[in-house]
Amino acid sequence: NAGVTQTPKFRVLKTGQSMTLLCAQDMNHEYMYWYRQDPGMGLRLIHYSVGEGTTAKGEVPDGYNVSRLKKQNFLLGLESAAPSQTSVYFCASSYGQGGRETQYFGPGTRLLVL
Amino acid sequence: AQKVTQVQTEISVVEKEDVTLDCVYETRDTTYYLFWYKQPPSGELVFLIRRNSFDEQNEISGRYSWNFQKSTSSFNFTITASQVVDSAVYFCALSEVGYTGGFKTIFGAGTRLFVKA
Repeated sequence: NAGVTQTPKFRVLKTGQSMTLLCAQDMNHEYMYWYRQDPGMGLRLIHYSVGEGTTAKGEVPDGYNVSRLKKQNFLLGLESAAPSQTSVYFCASSYGQGGRETQYFGPGTRLLVL
Repeated sequence: AQKVTQVQTEISVVEKEDVTLDCVYETRDTTYYLFWYKQPPSGELVFLIRRNSFDEQNEISGRYSWNFQKSTSSFNFTITASQVVDSAVYFCALSEVGYTGGFKTIFGAGTRLFVKA
């Protein structure tokens, strides 16, 4: 049981390049989330998904796209990377939305855009 | 509007002291969720607790306890008999259920806790 895994762990991009971050969970969770964390700040929700085939915008969705083709995977795409997207990206999953629940986070992906 | 304020930016205590991290939130919704997360120096995020707005019962988990008071819009976190391993940044967060059925989450800026041996 690996929990939540993220690929890659670290990446350097040049401005304008594209890339996809992969999040995978093996806990059969319905809900998945992508956050970004900037230095000295809390997390900000980029996009989330409440089930396979569904996605929704969070607090800071601009410049990102997501897909949830399979329940266990949640992909975050940057079509044209900008230096402002330099951040640590965390993926999380949870089994439910309402009531008490546990959210499980991946180890994070450090992205540097030059 | 949604807002989460973590009153203390940094706290430094000596091991075995009790410490309380304050979290004050603002929301116009009657249905919302509150969270606490821990981020140790290694960088991973650890989920600690989630409470919904209809459940004001305080909760205790080992040395951790949470005090939720809707009257003061606060969700404070207390560590009893702190240990060096408690040194981390702690985040409070608020999640509201939106009209479209989805939700949005706002995190506080975090409180950095130093526990000295």
